[in-house]
Amino acid sequence: DTAVSQTPKYLVTQMGNDKSIKCEQNLGHDTMYWYKQDSKKFLKIMFSYNNKELIINETVPNRFSPKSPDKAHLNLHINSLELGDSAVYFCASSQGSVGNTIYFGEGSWLTVV
Amino acid sequence: DQQVKQNSPSLSVQEGRISILNCDYTNSMFDYFLWYKKYPAEGPTFLISISSIKDKNEDGRFTVFLNKSAKHLSLHIVPSQPGDSAVYFCAASRTGTASKLTFGTGTRLQVTL
Repeated sequence: DTAVSQTPKYLVTQMGNDKSIKCEQNLGHDTMYWYKQDSKKFLKIMFSYNNKELIINETVPNRFSPKSPDKAHLNLHINSLELGDSAVYFCASSQGSVGNTIYFGEGSWLTVV
Repeated sequence: DQQVKQNSPSLSVQEGRISILNCDYTNSMFDYFLWYKKYPAEGPTFLISISSIKDKNEDGRFTVFLNKSAKHLSLHIVPSQPGDSAVYFCAASRTGTASKLTFGTGTRLQVTL
């Protein structure tokens, strides 16, 4: 039973398209995150939500818009996809937003062609 | 500006021997450190953590050492097993602020027979 699950796992799409990646956690955590791992393997935070409130918003283009309908879900919508958006996107969650262990999903491999 | 560095991209160790993975950080405000293990096509999996009030934390075959004055931590795996072959990421965060892990670039550990 997957604790943090995200769909789709693989996504190939054309430049200019709009796509969404969905994430759900069944750990009862109140904080969720999106991390991005780029081609150089750097894993960096993009967004964090605590109880559906945005608490971390790193320097990310406005084309990326997270949406948290409830504590267990955090979806990532990307508009007007660009080649440079190709990366692995990891959803994650933790209990509490301060200094707690973060648990990751399996990742969504996005390729923009 | 990379605040968490893992200077060894790869490490090969014989089964049964000790694996030592190193990590350096530059931000003295970091006070919570974690190690994650990642297999191909999977998300990072939490392994072990340490708070800055400690200098050692042990969990089975895994021990993390923290040297605050040197801004250095290491993960020891003993004895190493073939199933330990993976990429290991060091991560750091600050308590008192919203959780935001800053990751190193990872070290690929290969445990040989």
